[in-house]
Amino acid sequence: DQQVKQNSPSLSVQEGRISILNCDYTNSMFDYFLWYKKYPAEGPTFLISISSIKDKNEDGRFTVFLNKSAKHLSLHIVPSQPGDSAVYFCAAIKDSWGKLQFGAGTQVVVTP
Amino acid sequence: EAGVTQFPSHSVIEKGQTVTLRCDPISGHDNLYWYRRVMGKEIKFLLHFVKESKQDESGMPNNRFLAERTGGTYSTLKVQPAELEDSGVYFCASSQEGLALLRGTGELFFGEGSRLTVL
Repeated sequence: DQQVKQNSPSLSVQEGRISILNCDYTNSMFDYFLWYKKYPAEGPTFLISISSIKDKNEDGRFTVFLNKSAKHLSLHIVPSQPGDSAVYFCAAIKDSWGKLQFGAGTQVVVTP
Repeated sequence: EAGVTQFPSHSVIEKGQTVTLRCDPISGHDNLYWYRRVMGKEIKFLLHFVKESKQDESGMPNNRFLAERTGGTYSTLKVQPAELEDSGVYFCASSQEGLALLRGTGELFFGEGSRLTVL
C-alpha cells in the first residue's frame, strides 16, 4: 500500500511565480519528512526536510509546511526559476535507518 | 570526493536472463540502500545494508533478487531469472549513519541509477 501520495503528476508554473507541490500521507507514525529533487538521468538529491514536531521549515526559496492533523505537507518554491524544472519527490520516514517511503513524484516545468 | 556510482547505467536483457547491478557507495558510508522506481511510479525501498550486514530486506520483491555487500564496501544486486515486471530504474544510496537523517545534518546520497529493461 502506498503510504505517501503525490496526487499531481505534473505542474506548470511561470518563472517568478510560486510553485506549490502537495503531498499526503497515511501513516501517523512518520516523524520526519523530506523533499527530493530529480533531474533526468540523475539520482534524487536532497532538497529540504521537516521534523514532525515543526510545522514549517524554510531554506532560501524553498519552504516546507507540515499539517499533521491533515497528514499533509507542501513544498513552496518562491520565486520559481527555470532550473527548478525537475521531478520532486515527497518522502517520509518513521525510524532513523533510512527506509524512506516515497511518493510518485511531481514533474515541475517552469516556463519563461 | 566521488559520489555514489552505479554500473551499468542501462542494461537490456531478455526475460529469463540474469543481470547484476553494482553500486559503489561514498567512501566511509556504512549504510547502503537499494531502491527501485518502476514505470514512473514511486521510488520503493528494497533493502538496507549496514556495513556487510542486511539491516532490512523487507522490500525485496521475491527470491529472484539477491543482494550482497561483501566486505562492507560495494554492493551487488542480482536478478535471476529476470521477469518483465523487473524493468525499472534501480537506485543505490548511501549515508554515513542512519541517525544523520533525523539530525538534518545529512541525507541519503543517491547514485544516478541503473535502468533495467527486460524484454
